[in-house]
Amino acid sequence: QSALTQPASVSGSPGQSITISCTGTSSDVGSYNLVSWYQQHPGKAPKLMIYEVSKRPSGVSNRFSGSKSGNTASLTISGLQAEDEADYYCCSYAGSSRVFGGGTKLTVL
Amino acid sequence: QVQLQESGPGLVKPSQTLSLTCTVSGGSISSGSYYWSWIRQPAGKGLEWIGRIYTSGSTNYNPSLKSRVTISVDTSKNQFSLKLSSVTAADTAVYYCARDGTRTGPFGAFDIWGQGTMVTVSS
Repeated sequence: QSALTQPASVSGSPGQSITISCTGTSSDVGSYNLVSWYQQHPGKAPKLMIYEVSKRPSGVSNRFSGSKSGNTASLTISGLQAEDEADYYCCSYAGSSRVFGGGTKLTVL
Repeated sequence: QVQLQESGPGLVKPSQTLSLTCTVSGGSISSGSYYWSWIRQPAGKGLEWIGRIYTSGSTNYNPSLKSRVTISVDTSKNQFSLKLSSVTAADTAVYYCARDGTRTGPFGAFDIWGQGTMVTVSS
């Protein structure tokens, strides 16, 4: 199984919206509505932000939203804030396995 | 509030076996319908799923690591463990344990993570 494809970096100004894409195949992203997204600040463990493509865990801001079309999932962050600056990883269910994306560094300008 | 804590040697010699344990606190490892996973992250790189175990003992492994990985569970100690054999420098990474949701939610996602433990493979 190959890693999901994410852009290496994205950036945006405070208050703006950004979208991070996550492209897989028909064996993972395309086959299951089980894409999750994680936020990771330097030196910290990842934090679940989105699961089952578009669901938010309790406590996660509604500025974070997820979607999927075909083999590509997306994470959108609206109303960018300084604390959103972090690395973001997508992950897809792949049957009895899991596959992560390579990660995207979000810079808030 | 369920918490996870990894423990084990921070330094392992090449060709030896890396052994880590994840202790679950604040709840029983057997309660609810969860898998328990190991995930690693080399310095400056992305996350890699290693494998998972259910409390029944059923396991699934990353195909790229399957020949070297064993994950086990000890419900009496509320722990699950990772063994990775024949390690090389490429296995140097921060190793995380995480709770892996099933249909009772969050399906297919890692909702609780340990803080991670750094393991270096070097002679």
